[in-house]
Formats: sequence, structure tokens, C-alpha cells
Amino acid sequence: GAGVSQSPSNKVTEKGKDVELRCDPISGHTALYWYRQRLGQGLEFLIYFQGNSAPDKSGLPSDRFSAERTGESVSTLTIQRTQQEDSAVYLCASNQRDSYEQYFGPGTRLTVT
Amino acid sequence: QKEVEQDPGPLSVPEGAIVSLNCTYSNSAFQYFMWYRQYSRKGPELLMYTYSSGNKEDGRFTAQVDKSSKYISLFIRDSQPSDSATYLCAMSKTGANNLFFGTGTRLTVIP
Repeated sequence: GAGVSQSPSNKVTEKGKDVELRCDPISGHTALYWYRQRLGQGLEFLIYFQGNSAPDKSGLPSDRFSAERTGESVSTLTIQRTQQEDSAVYLCASNQRDSYEQYFGPGTRLTVT
Repeated sequence: QKEVEQDPGPLSVPEGAIVSLNCTYSNSAFQYFMWYRQYSRKGPELLMYTYSSGNKEDGRFTAQVDKSSKYISLFIRDSQPSDSATYLCAMSKTGANNLFFGTGTRLTVIP
């Protein structure tokens, strides 16, 4: 079946612009996660959605970052007024409730110039 | 101090070698331990999963957890060029959510 998909695969933007990244999780997966992976760094947790519960936003680094999810489907991560330090690969993952395995998408490579 | 420490490498080995990858952690509440493999420009994929202490073997891969030392390892036997990837350890107190990842070790297996 289809895996987690993300778009765009690459995004180059100018400092100060807003960007929107999209994630389509695996159908039926109730949980969805966003991570940031900077060059040479591990995965940094950003936000977690589980069904209709309030999202866990504890990993968002600043109020420039926000994310939405419609029901148990698509999610968008928005970064406002992008900075050069926002350059990274943004990974989305999903899984079924109570399953330990997260399934990752290929990521969106964001470059802020 | 980071919750999870992992040597970023890079690590280069000849084909057929035994590879040892390691992570240490500071939080004794971690109970779920995982290894993810990430090929270049791809998302990570789960390779091994272990709950609590002990060993788990899957083909050429063996995962070990030593909770008393707060140390986990992944061994790859008879390494192949197709094993060339970045290996990330991950751990959690409660399961799949709230995963803490290491920085990843970049492995190259030379034919």
C-alpha cells in the first residue's frame, strides 16, 4: 500500500517568507508526527497528533512554527518568517494507535537563503 | 547533557566485517529501544525493536540492551554494501510516541 508522502520534496525560500509543508499519512493511522533533522543532527521532535486529542506541541521551537491536521488525514506544518537556521529536512511519520513502529515519509528539504 | 548520545562516525568497514553501533542514554525510565536505518535522502525505517533489557536477533542483525549500563548496541554480521546508511537509535518511556533519537551513525561498507 501507499506509504507516508510529503510535499514538496525540496523547497528553497528567501529569509522572511512563510512556507507550508504537507504530509499525507498512511490511511488508518491515527497518530502523526513532525520532526526536524538538521545536517549532522538527530531527529528533533516538533509536534504529535493523536486522533481528535489536543496535539502535543511541546517540541515546536518558536511561535513561528505551527501545524494543523484535519481529522486523521493530511497535516500541514507552517513556518512563518523563515530564518536561515530553519534550513533542515522536515520529516513526517505516522502510526496506528498503540503501535511502536513509526512510518516515515521521505521528508521535505527546506533551504532558507 | 543530551538524553541520547550516539557517535556520529562516519564509520567505514570492508564488506564481510562485523559492525558494532552504540548509543548511551541518561534517562533510566526508557523502556523501548529501537534502531532505525536511513538511506540517503529517504526517511528512516524501523530495523529493530527491543523492550527492556536483553538481546534480539533478526537475520544478520542483533540488538542488545543493557539497562544497568544505559547502553544499547546494534551488531551487523557479514556486512554488505547495501547496509551503507545512517543508523539512528531511538528510545521511549511509553512506546511509539515521545521517541528520543540519537544523532545517527553514518556507515559505509566498502566492497
